[in-house]
Amino acid sequence: NAGVTQTPKFRVLKTGQSMTLLCAQDMNHEYMYWYRQDPGMGLRLIHYSVGEGTTAKGEVPDGYNVSRLKKQNFLLGLESAAPSQTSVYFCASSALDRYHYEQYFGPGTRLTVT
Amino acid sequence: QQQVKQSPQSLIVQKGGISIINCAYENTAFDYFPWYQQFPGKGPALLIAIRPDVSEKKEGRFTISFNKSAKQFSLHIMDSQPGDSATYFCAASMRGANNLFFGTGTRLTVIP
Repeated sequence: NAGVTQTPKFRVLKTGQSMTLLCAQDMNHEYMYWYRQDPGMGLRLIHYSVGEGTTAKGEVPDGYNVSRLKKQNFLLGLESAAPSQTSVYFCASSALDRYHYEQYFGPGTRLTVT
Repeated sequence: QQQVKQSPQSLIVQKGGISIINCAYENTAFDYFPWYQQFPGKGPALLIAIRPDVSEKKEGRFTISFNKSAKQFSLHIMDSQPGDSATYFCAASMRGANNLFFGTGTRLTVIP
């Protein structure tokens, strides 16, 4: 049981390049999330999904797109990378709990945009 | 603006001491308050959580104290150990909502 995995672990992009981050979970969770973590800012929600085929915007969605074609996968895309998108990106997933949703996080992807 | 305010930014504690991290919020619709622990190079992991119908929750050496009227909650780590050295995040969410609002984190260092 791998939990939540993220690919790649590190990436360096030039301004204007595009890339896709892949998140996979094997816990059969309904909900999946993408966060970015920046020094002094904590974790901020970019986009999330409440089920296969659905996505929704979080706190900081601009410059990112997502897709959830399969229940176990959640993709985060950067169409035209900017230096402001240099960050550590975390994917998380959670089950549908009666009241709240414990989130399980992946190990992160460190992205540098030059 | 930051929905959950966390302090201090960093904390150094001697082994065996008590570590205390504080968080405050404004949104009275929040009704779930988890703490996440993050080691370098890893993703955050749930440590302990509380709902506002209780004022304290204890799990081993970790205790959450919750003050609903003051809209504050804190994490106490008793008998702090070097292995507790990590970054701690408080968070909050509303019932039935998907979003967790995180504090800015506290880097704890426990000196042997």
